[in-house]
Amino acid sequence: DSGVTQTPKHLITATGQRVTLRCSPRSGDLSVYWYQQSLDQGLQFLIQYYNGEERAKGNILERFSAQQFPDLHSELNLSSLELGDSALYFCASSGGASGRHEQYFGPGTRLTVT
Amino acid sequence: KNEVEQSPQNLTAQEGEFITINCSYSVGISALHWLQQHPGGGIVSLFMLSSGKKKHGRLIATINIQEKHSSLHITASHPRDSAVYICAVRSGPSTGNQFYFGTGTSLTVIP
Repeated sequence: DSGVTQTPKHLITATGQRVTLRCSPRSGDLSVYWYQQSLDQGLQFLIQYYNGEERAKGNILERFSAQQFPDLHSELNLSSLELGDSALYFCASSGGASGRHEQYFGPGTRLTVT
Repeated sequence: KNEVEQSPQNLTAQEGEFITINCSYSVGISALHWLQQHPGGGIVSLFMLSSGKKKHGRLIATINIQEKHSSLHITASHPRDSAVYICAVRSGPSTGNQFYFGTGTSLTVIP
């Protein structure tokens, strides 16, 4: 058990809908990372937050947004969903901001858009 | 163009064999990570390297910054090592602190 929790584990929704994925980092970790893993694109970095501030931005679509709250949990909001958004979404946490610290991964949320 | 290239894509080994997985990257990096993804989908971080060599049990990871290359070695391989191994690099601040991932090496260790 990594200590990182993600909810929900599975989500099935229709095209055009909006969903929110939630991540609670390991106790004491200030950084949260969001990743998308699809069959055709592999793992992709979406965004990193450190202590409530956006630290780095990857291939995150404009339809997606994220935030980190004062209690350090993070939410990833996906809107106007398309079939191609079906994927596993992982969050990870680490103690530092630089990406030079070991990351602890949550179990993932499997999103299916129909 | 892939910033991170891994080889081989697939690897089958007999139990006890010495295994090497290679990772080459084309960007300047601040760190390189080796990840293990189990068949159930869970991801575990094995190593974070910025220079030199690290060892955890039967796993050894090395990095050559000048050559932009890293290797993950598994000594005395075991069927429980069967998983996908993924190389990831963190680029520096001048390129936006991005993470780039290899496509993974699928390892099967046969008893």
